Amino acid sequence: DAGITQSPRYKITETGRQVTLMCHQTWSHSYMFWYRQDLGHGLRLIYYSAAADITDKGEVPDGYVVSRSKTENFPLTLESATRSQTSVYFCASSADGYYGYTFGSGTRLTVV
Amino acid sequence: EDQVTQSPEALRLQEGESSSLNCSYTVSGLRGLFWYRQDPGEGPEFLFTLYSAGEEKEKERLKATLTKKESFLHITAPKPEDSATYLCAVQGFQGAQKLVFGQGTRLTINP
Repeated sequence: DAGITQSPRYKITETGRQVTLMCHQTWSHSYMFWYRQDLGHGLRLIYYSAAADITDKGEVPDGYVVSRSKTENFPLTLESATRSQTSVYFCASSADGYYGYTFGSGTRLTVV
Repeated sequence: EDQVTQSPEALRLQEGESSSLNCSYTVSGLRGLFWYRQDPGEGPEFLFTLYSAGEEKEKERLKATLTKKESFLHITAPKPEDSATYLCAVQGFQGAQKLVFGQGTRLTINP
């Protein structure tokens, strides 16, 4: 299917465990982004990537790791999950980073 | 630091009752201002991009306007299906393609 897909849609994990959220887009967009959405904070940028093998930190990168070995995939890894990382995570992509993003449907992550 | 403030946080209207949502922003050189719609359990859906003061864009019952300090999303004769959270975001020339979002306005249209 064309578009941007995130998996899983829902995830419950324990404190201290490593968890990876997946993001896949079929448009060959250069730019990809990870945001988290929390009540009272809105959407905050975690990491972004301008192309394969090029990544950079956003506003709230601590505790997260990203990689981009292929243009279409941009996984987000929580190395040692904490309760403060309970959130809804959104992946987005953009052809050139300037004309708005297309968002995925999100992953709701609960850390217990 | 780029900042976006949206008001009100929540707005409840009767079907057909027109109103406006506000987005105030500070940015070091505005590249674009974006409006998104977000339904519960879904990702934001792109609505409009505005680039310069005085610009207006329309889509069905929605019209977005832009000044040098704020943007308005006007909704005319809304229907229950317009109920959603509306997000505003800015992108500055120094922001390296990043969008900075406001906290959104949760709009409810009662039949």
